[in-house]
Amino acid sequence: EIVLTQSPGTLSLSPGERATLSCRASQSVSSSYLAWYQQKPGQAPRLLIYGASSRATGIPDRFSGSGSGTDFTLTISRLEPEDFAVYYCLQFGSSSYTFGQGTKLEIK
Amino acid sequence: QVQLVQSGAEVKKPGSSVKVSCKASGGTFGTYTISWVRQAPGQGLEWMGRIIPILGIANYAQKFQGRVTITADKSTSTAYMELSSLRSEDTAVYYCAREVEMANWYFDLWGRGTLVTVSS
Repeated sequence: EIVLTQSPGTLSLSPGERATLSCRASQSVSSSYLAWYQQKPGQAPRLLIYGASSRATGIPDRFSGSGSGTDFTLTISRLEPEDFAVYYCLQFGSSSYTFGQGTKLEIK
Repeated sequence: QVQLVQSGAEVKKPGSSVKVSCKASGGTFGTYTISWVRQAPGQGLEWMGRIIPILGIANYAQKFQGRVTITADKSTSTAYMELSSLRSEDTAVYYCAREVEMANWYFDLWGRGTLVTVSS
């Protein structure tokens, strides 16, 4: 099973700042199989990025994804108040899918 | 526009089973795969398994093998997740999610979640 490790666990930033979230895989993941989700309290996860770098429909361009192999990054260029949430990476590999443990983005 | 509508909250005794449903409202499952994901209180997301409704083929995360059964009724576009031998650690919100499997794979549509509480 592929293990995804997200860092940092918690990120404290202010609106307007840049956020960089990391997702590291225990073995290589095809970029086609790597997605990022945002989750707010009491809500289902929301798709942000698929294919490691493609924005989902309706996602603002301040969200971007990059990376390949075992290292993937979600970047939020300028934080808006509504961006403070928990972010998860997800990989679809070899018939068993795994999520990272999440990064909580909180207001500083 | 298709929505995934899940059944309501459940309270179960330890050792019992629970069956949660997920219906495609406003459309059908088509050729999509449906996955089940759970989230314990204050914890992260955990994939449990998936089913291809048109084929009836399911596969499960190793952690849940033998305890979870995922089925689907393609005639009603409803998927089911049954978890047996419940214990307190199974208290969680259970989500169904539609899986896109093309050039890229991802969950594009989620149900609102079903809270299952296991308590004596």
